[in-house]
Amino acid sequence: DAGVTQSPTHLIKTRGQHVTLRCSPISGHKSVSWYQQVLGQGPQFIFQYYEKEERGRGNFPDRFSARQFPNYSSELNVNALLLGDSALYLCASSRRDTSYEQYFGPGTRLTVT
Amino acid sequence: GQQVMQIPQYQHVQEGEDFTTYCNSSTTLSNIQWYKQRPGGHPVFLIQLVKSGEVKKQKRLTFQFGEAKKNSSLHITATQTTDVGTYFCAGGDTDKLIFGTGTRLQVFP
Repeated sequence: DAGVTQSPTHLIKTRGQHVTLRCSPISGHKSVSWYQQVLGQGPQFIFQYYEKEERGRGNFPDRFSARQFPNYSSELNVNALLLGDSALYLCASSRRDTSYEQYFGPGTRLTVT
Repeated sequence: GQQVMQIPQYQHVQEGEDFTTYCNSSTTLSNIQWYKQRPGGHPVFLIQLVKSGEVKKQKRLTFQFGEAKKNSSLHITATQTTDVGTYFCAGGDTDKLIFGTGTRLQVFP
């Protein structure tokens, strides 16, 4: 079975620009969560979507938004990029919600210059 | 907000030595999950603990969940070079998963 896939793998953007990151969960998984991981730190929870509805939100500004589609894939959008948004963005899928084991994708490395 | 801390931040051991990382939450946890992240990789699920005082073993790895469900530990017996990576605990709830600060393990042959 295919694992969680994310695109693109790497991305370079300029301050003030907008970015969209994409995630496809494992087949049969209905929950997708997004995390930001800065080098040397643990993943920081951004959003959880379950059955296409926002289930949880971390402590991130409104510049961050996400959605989940009928096929359970998901997009993370970040507006007005700041240098501090440079990080590895991880997507994870789960059978139900974040109380269940998370299967992580390889991540998207975002660099903001 | 909820915080999950881990100690130590780094641990260097000789191959064959034991290793332990400790995880402490500022709030009571519904469950604790443990993940391993190899350098350049993504977190990989190891185990989940749900019950107060629960102990689970996976070969050389032993996981414990505290009686108050606010702390946990991971112990590796006789480390091997394949154990290299960062170990994260994470407090899981139905609406969020809060990762700890992680313990980076380096094993010297």
